Amino acid sequence: GEDVEQSLFLSVREGDSSVINCTYTDSSSTYLYWYKQEPGAGLQLLTYIFSNMDMKQDQRLTVLLNKKDKHLSLRIADTQTGDSAIYFCAERDAGNMLTFGGGTRLMVKP
Amino acid sequence: GAVVSQHPSRVICKSGTSVKIECRSLDFQATTMFWYRQFPKQSLMLMATSNEGSKATYEQGVEKDKFLINHASLTLSTLTVTSAHPEDSSFYICSALDRGKYTGELFFGEGSRLTVL
Repeated sequence: GEDVEQSLFLSVREGDSSVINCTYTDSSSTYLYWYKQEPGAGLQLLTYIFSNMDMKQDQRLTVLLNKKDKHLSLRIADTQTGDSAIYFCAERDAGNMLTFGGGTRLMVKP
Repeated sequence: GAVVSQHPSRVICKSGTSVKIECRSLDFQATTMFWYRQFPKQSLMLMATSNEGSKATYEQGVEKDKFLINHASLTLSTLTVTSAHPEDSSFYICSALDRGKYTGELFFGEGSRLTVL
């Protein structure tokens, strides 16, 4: 099956930028998503990008997509302690099936 | 924005009993809903795809007689964990596909934490 990989952990200081990376294998991905999950809660859709775009910016969030290398990143500017959470990237195939990465735990230090 | 509601958010039951979890799309019609299972500190594992008015499609390794899925209307899908055992304890999350939107966005419920004693 298709595979989505993320690094497990990222630690940054408050005010710095965070960059979370994701790689995937499905060449037929239609959309790629970033979700945020806080402890004990469900998934919150942060942003998404269509597979024929290479960048999308939404306030503090910037998504970069390198379709050739199948690499997706999420940059959070001016990271705050409230951004501490687990971040999942997911790719959606033509059949609307989502494959999730393992999640990256972001820890923001004051 | 679109909202998907799951109920109950937490449930504790005795081993051998059955538990039903509901997933509702509150302001859109969802012809397709997905059920996921998440173990502690792990990613989401797709269990099944539920299409309104037809049988669910289960992923490999998921017992369809154990995890009964019913998608009787365009706004409601239910997951019933039958004869629950402690190993079924997990966080179950549903998502619903809003086909009415250009992107066909997927929205997730808040999850239901099942603890089987």
